Amino acid sequence: GDSVTQTEGQVTVSESKSLIINCTYSTTSIAYPNLFWYVRYPGEGLQLLLKVITAGQKGSSRGFEATYNKETTSFHLQKASVQESDSAVYYCALGASGGSNAKLTFGKGTKLSVKS
Amino acid sequence: GGIITQTPKFLIGQEGQKLTLKCQQNFNHDTMYWYRQDSGKGLRLIYYSITENDLQKGDLSEGYDASREKKSSFSLTVTSAQKNEMAVFLCASSMRGGYAEQFFGPGTRLTVL
Repeated sequence: GDSVTQTEGQVTVSESKSLIINCTYSTTSIAYPNLFWYVRYPGEGLQLLLKVITAGQKGSSRGFEATYNKETTSFHLQKASVQESDSAVYYCALGASGGSNAKLTFGKGTKLSVKS
Repeated sequence: GGIITQTPKFLIGQEGQKLTLKCQQNFNHDTMYWYRQDSGKGLRLIYYSITENDLQKGDLSEGYDASREKKSSFSLTVTSAQKNEMAVFLCASSMRGGYAEQFFGPGTRLTVL
């Protein structure tokens, strides 16, 4: 089956400091998965932060970056300088590449708290 | 843009009761999904529907039925509510295909008494 493992629980970072949330994946059903980071801000619905569909490529959005590393099966989320407004729950996910099947497998989520 | 509406926002039922959750989207997306999220856990796929007349089981389909009434709506029925399935149920939709971004609704929180 497919699985996603990410930094568990809560991560607290001081404003303007750097952040990394680890994500590794395992798949037996998808040769070249697509990789996603979703985010849920307080009081809002789950929304896409960034996605990468090609191994070796980097995705970026809102100052966050993630690189699809097929060798280490990782897709870590990084930001050089976090802000209080980045406080949210972040989910790593993998999905099928192309075809009609677009279902996603999610990690358990990482709650980021940014303190001023 | 578009929006996904889930009703009701909060659903309270008795153990053993049959309960229905509804989802509507106006993105004109082909594919719709139902996920369950338990506290402190990731989302788990219950059912999805690739197109209007399609229904596919996810990893967590036992104890649930689903119905794709039309392209814009997708319902989920809890066939016999149990206390251990109190969770938030999320509906999502996407264009057809593996590259497609999924858009999520605000969720329905289920409580079983």
